[in-house]
Amino acid sequence: GAVVSQHPSRVICKSGTSVKIECRSLDFQATTMFWYRQFPKQSLMLMATSNEGSKATYEQGVEKDKFLINHASLTLSTLTVTSAHPEDSSFYICSATPGGTGVGTDTQYFGPGTRLTVL
Amino acid sequence: DAKTTQPPSMDCAEGRAANLPCNHSTISGNEYVYWYRQIHSQGPQYIIHGLKNNETNEMASLIITEDRKSSTLILPHATLRDTAVYYCILLISNFGNEKLTFGTGTRLTIIP
Repeated sequence: GAVVSQHPSRVICKSGTSVKIECRSLDFQATTMFWYRQFPKQSLMLMATSNEGSKATYEQGVEKDKFLINHASLTLSTLTVTSAHPEDSSFYICSATPGGTGVGTDTQYFGPGTRLTVL
Repeated sequence: DAKTTQPPSMDCAEGRAANLPCNHSTISGNEYVYWYRQIHSQGPQYIIHGLKNNETNEMASLIITEDRKSSTLILPHATLRDTAVYYCILLISNFGNEKLTFGTGTRLTIIP
């Protein structure tokens, strides 16, 4: 159980275009989803936290107008990188937690990641 | 959240037990110890977590010292597929809303 998928796994786009990445919890409902970014040979950096039906909370230094997050349902969150530039090239990873008050509700389960390359 | 300290790298022979240490001397009473690993170019994988008691699951064992200032993740019979970066992270229970802060972790290499 506790499987999280991401789509696409890899995307190459031209500078100035927008790219949407989907994150789905396949076998549980996720009250909270998180988006991370990882540059080569670096650790994961949290970008934002999203709760279903409400606006995402962005980490300091992350532009909310550039990285649009929508958490429209309990199983789907999307990250849209708007007007992408080469410096946005990175490995984007989402995670999801079941939430609530039961055992394991705080455990984050991660998706396989999306490798974005902006030319 | 309190910080953790891990060795940057470790080697372990295939088939032997891999013991990965983590120091968290300023841990708070309500912080759990979580372990994740990240195999190259994949998303992190949850391994195990605990609060006070030692824990064991199908992947690993977690040993937490009585004063909770350090812990050890044990992979009982390491295989080549266990080569990864292992992260020890502290987390306050917050009904799934608490964010994880990843450090640099320990790069574990399993040697044939």
